[in-house]
Amino acid sequence: EPEVTQTPSHQVTQMGQEVILRCVPISNHLYFYWYRQILGQKVEFLVSFYNNEISEKSEIFDDQFSVERPDGSNFTLKIRSTKLEDSAMYFCASSGVGGHTDTQYFGPGTRLTVL
Amino acid sequence: AQSVTQLDSQVPVFEEAPVELRCNYSSSVSVYLFWYVQYPNQGLQLLLKYLSGSTLVKGINGFEAEFNKSQTSFHLRKPSVHISDTAEYFCAVSENSGNTPLVFGKGTRLSVIA
Repeated sequence: EPEVTQTPSHQVTQMGQEVILRCVPISNHLYFYWYRQILGQKVEFLVSFYNNEISEKSEIFDDQFSVERPDGSNFTLKIRSTKLEDSAMYFCASSGVGGHTDTQYFGPGTRLTVL
Repeated sequence: AQSVTQLDSQVPVFEEAPVELRCNYSSSVSVYLFWYVQYPNQGLQLLLKYLSGSTLVKGINGFEAEFNKSQTSFHLRKPSVHISDTAEYFCAVSENSGNTPLVFGKGTRLSVIA
């Protein structure tokens, strides 16, 4: 069964450094998302992406964040200058077109630790 | 805007006992409803979903949920739990216009006791 994959599984970085989190969505999906989950809190939407542009973003997704689909398979989240409060689990998700357009499938997550 | 309330943050239950995890939502538009499960140190796995049609939906691992529009609820049930059901369960809602962001509840930690 196809699945969403994410790398790395765990990333440790120093405050102020740039990080790139990578995701490979399910191959025939067209909608891509990033969510985050701060330890002990609810999963929060960051951004959605379709047709090579951001379709929706939350207030969390400020200028330090960016997303990109650099090729036909990868979907990345870049945090330009990390802060302590960016420490969280980041989940990538994708959804398709057709009968399953409304179901988002999630990857295993990348745990980001900012020191 | 939508919101989701999961009233119980933790639910301990003995093995083979039934369980119900409660979820209420609020929305000014029609919605789709989902339950996801997160096992320790893993990602979110879709358990079941309500998009339209029958209000009783069945999912994986013997779970089912019932959509009640008048009570704006989507409670998750299982008649007999196993140790392996120990996990965090998240209820989520999205607008029914397709491919819209999910809004999650805070989650319910189900602990199954032997």
